[in-house]
Amino acid sequence: EAGVTQFPSHSVIEKGQTVTLRCDPISGHDNLYWYRRVMGKEIKFLLHFVKESKQDESGMPNNRFLAERTGGTYSTLKVQPAELEDSGVYFCASSPGHVIEAFFGQGTRLTVV
Amino acid sequence: LAKTTQPISMDSYEGQEVNITCSHNNIATNDYITWYQQFPSQGPRFIIQGYKTKVTNEVASLFIPADRKSSTLSLPRVSLSDTAVYYCLASWAGFQKLVFGTGTRLLVSP
Repeated sequence: EAGVTQFPSHSVIEKGQTVTLRCDPISGHDNLYWYRRVMGKEIKFLLHFVKESKQDESGMPNNRFLAERTGGTYSTLKVQPAELEDSGVYFCASSPGHVIEAFFGQGTRLTVV
Repeated sequence: LAKTTQPISMDSYEGQEVNITCSHNNIATNDYITWYQQFPSQGPRFIIQGYKTKVTNEVASLFIPADRKSSTLSLPRVSLSDTAVYYCLASWAGFQKLVFGTGTRLLVSP
């Protein structure tokens, strides 16, 4: 069974540019989450989808971040325009139903220069 | 969401048993204790989960005393490949927002 897959694994962009991160959850997992860790800080929750609906987006830092999950399958996280402080590792995770075991992807390392 | 406190780092040697203790004084009745493991350049990986007493799986054991204010993750006979960061989380199953702390960086030496 394929795990959670994230694309790209690394991205280097200039300040002001746009970047779109993609996450393919495990097939059949209704719950999809985005987390991120910025340099030297803890892993922080960004948002949670249940199928295509945003269940909780309390962790989204500002309106430069837009997450979508059309059709309840894969999800994208767009940062527009990117700022230097957006650099970090963005993790996607998925889980089936009401369980605590979340399956994480390998992360996308975003560097804004 | 209950805050957890755990040691920043621990050192061990191959073949030893490692016990990592986590404090969660304000744990709620509905919270479960969950441990995740993270290797460099990878996402966190679920290890074990428990509510109270003892839980054991093929990877680790989790001990939670009756007052549930702390818990201990036990890794039997660690190997070099167990070098990783271990996160203790107190999470409500129905809420599903994982709150990661700083974790414990375990270094296993030959």
